[in-house]
Amino acid sequence: QVQLQESGPGLVKPSQTLSLTCTVSGGSISSGNYSWSWIRQPAGKGLEWIGRIYIRGYTNYKPSLKSRVTVSEDRSKNQFSLKLTSVTAEDTAVYYCARSDPFTVFFDYWGPGTLVTVSS
Amino acid sequence: EIVMTQSPATLSVSPGERATLSCRASQSVRSYLAWYQQKPGQAPRLLMYGASTRATGIPARFSGSGSGTEFTLTISSLQSEDFAVYFCQQYNNWLPYSFGQGTKLEIK
Repeated sequence: QVQLQESGPGLVKPSQTLSLTCTVSGGSISSGNYSWSWIRQPAGKGLEWIGRIYIRGYTNYKPSLKSRVTVSEDRSKNQFSLKLTSVTAEDTAVYYCARSDPFTVFFDYWGPGTLVTVSS
Repeated sequence: EIVMTQSPATLSVSPGERATLSCRASQSVRSYLAWYQQKPGQAPRLLMYGASTRATGIPARFSGSGSGTEFTLTISSLQSEDFAVYFCQQYNNWLPYSFGQGTKLEIK
């Protein structure tokens, strides 16, 4: 059974960088069989796909966030990470990591989510 | 960006009755449409993909239909555990992958 778990600071100051890590257990992120995404959800609102890493470390990002986002992987630790620079209050949300097929990108496994608040 | 619009925003239905939720895409996504259920404080759970294929472990009372721009999720006989928020998501290889704003299914 695949499990995903997000970790990272729950509070980030405006203009700083939000950094989160997703630890995957029960499966290898380096198998090439899956795609690993970050998705966020502001309180009481809908879901927003941020970006993903997949086969051979290729990445895709939401165009409106692309200038601020980096998704990377650490295969030795079976983890992938999110960095979001120059954050504002609008980046306050629950952040989820999730798994999908590389080519049909719907999400079959999710982490429980972690709340990140941007505030001074 | 493909915009996904769900209706209604809130649906009030009695247990045992049928619920019909709608999702519309701003352009064709063929059958690359998924549905998720989310309960308070939890991550979304995959219900349906390919517009009409139930995910593993999803009861048969959940069914999906549609293609192109119009999609429907039907719950044939509502159980207490079905009251939640439902999201649709398109994955037609047009970045970004996008979600609807959700339909809250509440007890009438």
